[in-house]
Amino acid sequence: DTGVSQNPRHKITKRGQNVTFRCDPISEHNRLYWYRQTLGQGPEFLTYFQNEAQLEKSRLLSDRFSAERPKGSFSTLEIQRTEQGDSAMYLCASSLEEDYEQFFGPGTRLTVL
Amino acid sequence: AQSVTQLGSHVSVSEGALVLLRCNYSSSVPPYLFWYVQYPNQGLQLLLKYTSAATLVKGINGFEAEFKKSETSFHLTKPSAHMSDAAEYFCARPNQVGSQGNLIFGKGTKLSVKP
Repeated sequence: DTGVSQNPRHKITKRGQNVTFRCDPISEHNRLYWYRQTLGQGPEFLTYFQNEAQLEKSRLLSDRFSAERPKGSFSTLEIQRTEQGDSAMYLCASSLEEDYEQFFGPGTRLTVL
Repeated sequence: AQSVTQLGSHVSVSEGALVLLRCNYSSSVPPYLFWYVQYPNQGLQLLLKYTSAATLVKGINGFEAEFKKSETSFHLTKPSAHMSDAAEYFCARPNQVGSQGNLIFGKGTKLSVKP
């Protein structure tokens, strides 16, 4: 399978716990994006990487959120001290540099109780 | 600010009927426009994309869309709906502010197909 993969697919956690999601992009893609999608909304941009450099963060990405892409391959998104408002689908996408077409993974659905 | 507006959060058609999902963009003319489809609990799959090469774009599963600059629209159509078309559809454009390459999405239109 050469598509974008995300793990886990589902995560249920209690408020205040930390969670970490992983995204494996298409291997030759050097751009990697994280989006958040809440019920009834389209995906909203969180942050993106070009290779290992995190180039942009939206204001949606509070201090409790951190993302890394240490070797320019897979990426992790960590949420500390989760809140109920963090419940959403977290989508990862990848693309070639200078190509606007993005390929999406299946997403990680987070439920914070 | 750049944005994408999808008119109608929910569209219901009968099997075999025409599907029309509306999308309008604002601000500058985008270099690209996309339609994505999302099935329940899944990620987004690209249906088609406009890249300035042609105003009428054909995509997968029999869908097509026409870019109309005068109307700032990029509506998605399919002549005959199938039950398998039931899903949520998103229109998107690139964010051209700064160095961002992220996409800006509409709120989505949920398509229901009645037998």
